[in-house]
Order: sequence, then structure tokens, then C-alpha cells
Amino acid sequence: DAGVIQSPRHEVTEMGQEVTLRCKPISGHNSLFWYRQTMMRGLELLIYFNNNVPIDDSGMPEDRFSAKMPNASFSTLKIQPSEPRDSAVYFCASSLNRRDTQYFGPGTRLTVL
Amino acid sequence: AQTVTQSQPEMSVQEAETVTLSCTYDTSESDYYLFWYKQPPSRQMILVIRQEAYKQQNATENRFSVNFQKAAKSFSLKISDSQLGDAAMYFCASQPYNQGGKLIFGQGTELSVKP
Repeated sequence: DAGVIQSPRHEVTEMGQEVTLRCKPISGHNSLFWYRQTMMRGLELLIYFNNNVPIDDSGMPEDRFSAKMPNASFSTLKIQPSEPRDSAVYFCASSLNRRDTQYFGPGTRLTVL
Repeated sequence: AQTVTQSQPEMSVQEAETVTLSCTYDTSESDYYLFWYKQPPSRQMILVIRQEAYKQQNATENRFSVNFQKAAKSFSLKISDSQLGDAAMYFCASQPYNQGGKLIFGQGTELSVKP
């Protein structure tokens, strides 16, 4: 079975540009999570969806960040405009239900110059 | 706030030996889950083991086992017969039952395995 798929794997952009990260969860999983990993803050939850509905976005750092899940097999995390402090690895994870084990994608390493 | 603490930033073990990674957590919840994830240099987060807090029996997965001490809020990971492929960053995480599915991670322990 295919795991969680994320694209792109690496993204390098300039400050002020829009960045869109994509995620395809494991088929049949109802919950999807976006995490960010930095040296300073470690791994932290940004937002999660249950049955395509955003449940908790309290971890989204500011209005420049937005996330959508238009259907059960696709989610995006958008940063507009991007800033150098957004440089991090962004992980998408999915689980059968929100309290089940989360399976992570390979991550997207974002570098904002 | 819920916190997870890994007090060992780095650990080292000889191949074929046993090593224990420490983790403590702070929660007011009565129901929660605990996890260990492994992150090799490829940066993929890989589930190692999961423990339900209501279960007294310690979880085991092949060479990996945990020592879960609920009263002490301690959740250590033991790796037996260490292999070179075990070298990675290991993250302890809690998942409070009443906070949806949110995982709260520790800062990680980097494990090196010496041949």
C-alpha cells in the first residue's frame, strides 16, 4: 500500500513568494495532520482535519498560513507571502481516525531565501 | 500545557548491545497514548512502538520494548541487540485522548551505533 505522499520533497523560494505544499493521505484514512519541524521549536502541529473539515488550526503561526482539504485524498498547505523564518521541514500525516496511529509522509524541506 | 521531555540529547551504543532512551511527560489527562518515532537521516518519521495508557502491560515490537511507569509519567524505550540501522533521531510523543489527534513531541534523542 502506498504511504502518505508529499510533494515537492524540496522547495527553494525567495522571500515574498507563494509556496504550496501538497499531501495525499493513505486511502481510507479520515484524519490528516500538518506538522512543522525546526531546530528551534522541534515538531509542532499546525492544523488537523477530520473528514476533510479543519478541527484545530491553533498551531498555524499566522494569517500567512492557510490549509485546505477539498476531498479525502488531497490537502494543501499554503504560505503567502513566505518569509525566511518559514524555512523548515513540513510533514503531513494521516490516521484511520483522529486517535489512531499517525503515519507520516517523507516531508517537504522548504528553504526561503 | 502538555509537555514531553527527553533529557538525553545524544546517546551511543555498541552494536549488539542494549540501550535505553528516556522520556517523561506531563499530562492531566487520564487517557492518552504514547509513542516512539524514529527519524533516520532520510528524515522519514517511522513509528517504532505505541502504548495505550490504560494498559499495564508494556508494549513490545521485536527488539524494541518500553518501560511504562504511569505514576511516574515515564516512558522509556529499550533497544536490544542494537544494529547499525538503528542509528537515528528518536522522538517520544504523547497523544492526549481529549485533544483530538494532536501529537506532542519531545526534543529527540540522537542515537549513534558503533560497529
